[in-house]
Amino acid sequence: EAQVTQNPRYLITVTGKKLTVTCSQNMNHEYMSWYRQDPGLGLRQIYYSMNVEVTDKGDVPEGYKVSRKEKRNFPLILESPSPNQTSLYFCASSPLDGSNSYEQYFGPGTRLTVT
Amino acid sequence: AQSVTQLGSHVSVSEGALVLLRCNYSSSVPPYLFWYVQYPNQGLQLLLKYTSAATLVKGINGFEAEFKKSETSFHLTKPSAHMSDAAEYFCAVRAGDSSYKLIFGSGTRLLVRP
Repeated sequence: EAQVTQNPRYLITVTGKKLTVTCSQNMNHEYMSWYRQDPGLGLRQIYYSMNVEVTDKGDVPEGYKVSRKEKRNFPLILESPSPNQTSLYFCASSPLDGSNSYEQYFGPGTRLTVT
Repeated sequence: AQSVTQLGSHVSVSEGALVLLRCNYSSSVPPYLFWYVQYPNQGLQLLLKYTSAATLVKGINGFEAEFKKSETSFHLTKPSAHMSDAAEYFCAVRAGDSSYKLIFGSGTRLLVRP
């Protein structure tokens, strides 16, 4: 089954404790992206990647890092989480050739709480 | 810059009534437009998308949307609401000609009353 998976689905942590949220897709998509969802704000892009070793900032990149060492994986790293990073996070992917009209496929989400 | 406005953070309808969720967009290029649905504790699922092939787009679960360039709108409708339609709905527009980013509206939560 074609899908985007994220782990963990739920995470409660404390301020300053480094964490990684994993994202993996099995559709051989070049483009991958991280969004955060906050009430009343919709989804905002954090980082994106056009292919292996190619990453760039989205609209709200502060406090986050990403890496793209393999095509299928795109982990999101919070090196020193703070309470304002409490949010619902989504990973998404899409092929670069536009064959799907730029539709993005979303993972199930990771609900992060930073205390 | 591209943007999306969804009017109404909450919409409440009776079961069997018409569903109308409003979306207006701003785009400097011919837009690609999307409606996604998010059921409780789930990810985003594509309902339908507009890609300039046809102005009336039919999606899953009986939903459809009409692209109106003159009104810069892409409203989502369903003739008869079901209880299972209760969810949050997001309208999105592709960020630009050379971009793969989606710009999302703030979302509309649909409540369906029995």
